[in-house]
Amino acid sequence: GAVVSQHPSRVICKSGTSVKIECRSLDFQATTMFWYRQFPKQSLMLMATSNEGSKATYEQGVEKDKFLINHASLTLSTLTVTSAHPEDSSFYICSARHPQGNYEQYFGPGTRLTVT
Amino acid sequence: KQEVTQIPAALSVPEGENLVLNCSFTDSAIYNLQWFRQDPGKGLTSLLLIQSSQREQTSGRLNASLDKSSGRSTLYIAASQPGDSATYLCAVSGGANNLFFGTGTRLTVIP
Repeated sequence: GAVVSQHPSRVICKSGTSVKIECRSLDFQATTMFWYRQFPKQSLMLMATSNEGSKATYEQGVEKDKFLINHASLTLSTLTVTSAHPEDSSFYICSARHPQGNYEQYFGPGTRLTVT
Repeated sequence: KQEVTQIPAALSVPEGENLVLNCSFTDSAIYNLQWFRQDPGKGLTSLLLIQSSQREQTSGRLNASLDKSSGRSTLYIAASQPGDSATYLCAVSGGANNLFFGTGTRLTVIP
């Protein structure tokens, strides 16, 4: 149990376009999901906390108008990278916090975004 | 703000060796600590989770310890195998919030 999926796993887009990444908790409901970004050979950096039914909480330095987060249901959060730029190329990973027990987060497999 | 450091950054060992990965954190007020494995270009696989009230957890050849007061955790891998080659990340949680990740240790087990 406790499986989180992400779609797509890889995406290539042109500068100026928008890209949507989906994060789904497959076998549990998650009121809270998290979006992380990882640069090559670096650790994960939290971008924002996604709360079902309310606005996301963004970390300092993350542009909320550029990285739109929507957590419309208890099993789905989406991250939309708007007006993508080559510097947005990165590995994006989501996690979902299990509602019971130890607040454990379960991670998706990640999405590799390349902006050309 | 919580800061998590992992030493060494990279480690190469011959197959069969036992090894220890280190993790330190600056704020001892944690809820739990997790060790993850990440293969290149992949997501995270949770290996062990230690609650703040616990001192260690074991799973197969893996043993993780936690010394909250000194802000340290270790991950012990026994009888290493080439399949253990990956990046190992530790992360601490202050509660129902985000995880603070360490910088990772890139492990290579040489056949």
